[in-house]
Amino acid sequence: AQKITQTQPGMFVQEKEAVTLDCTYDTSDPSYGLFWYKQPSSGEMIFLIYQGSYDQQNATEGRYSLNFQKARKSANLVISASQLGDSAMYFCAMREGFNTNAGKSTFGDGTTLTVKP
Amino acid sequence: DTAVSQTPKYLVTQMGNDKSIKCEQNLGHDTMYWYKQDSKKFLKIMFSYNNKELIINETVPNRFSPKSPDKAHLNLHINSLELGDSAVYFCASSQSGSKNIQYFGAGTRLSVL
Repeated sequence: AQKITQTQPGMFVQEKEAVTLDCTYDTSDPSYGLFWYKQPSSGEMIFLIYQGSYDQQNATEGRYSLNFQKARKSANLVISASQLGDSAMYFCAMREGFNTNAGKSTFGDGTTLTVKP
Repeated sequence: DTAVSQTPKYLVTQMGNDKSIKCEQNLGHDTMYWYKQDSKKFLKIMFSYNNKELIINETVPNRFSPKSPDKAHLNLHINSLELGDSAVYFCASSQSGSKNIQYFGAGTRLSVL
């Protein structure tokens, strides 16, 4: 069964510094996708970044990058130059068997990031 | 134009009542989902429909019944509401055959009194 682990319930970072949010996963399926979502205090779930299991390069989207270490089964989110608006809960998720209709996404428990001015 | 819209945003009701939450997406996606987020922020999938066909049905009480009249709409009807049903319910959609990135609605906060 697929599983996502986020070991950091809460993280603090100084404004303008970089921060890494940890995510490890477990799956026996060679085909999977990894996702990060942001949930600010307003409650919506915002898609940030995607990494496919066969992607050779680490995904990047603006200030977000995904540090994908396949052998270690880790998919850490790196946020560069933190801003006050980055304060939110961040969820790592995985979907097995991407490109199929029946793949189910599993979410981690989330990490609450607080950016200090 | 909101991509995935849910109504209502807030729902306060008494135990034992029946209520519905509606979801519509204008992204042209073929797959839609219902998730439940509890008070500890744990997010768990409940149902998934692909082209109006139920493909994921997690261990959910049968008081919860999803209905997909077309691939742009997925509604959730809940019978005989219980206190433990209080949560935020999210609708999401994705396009199969691609990265299957799920885009979420704003959520419906259900409070059962």
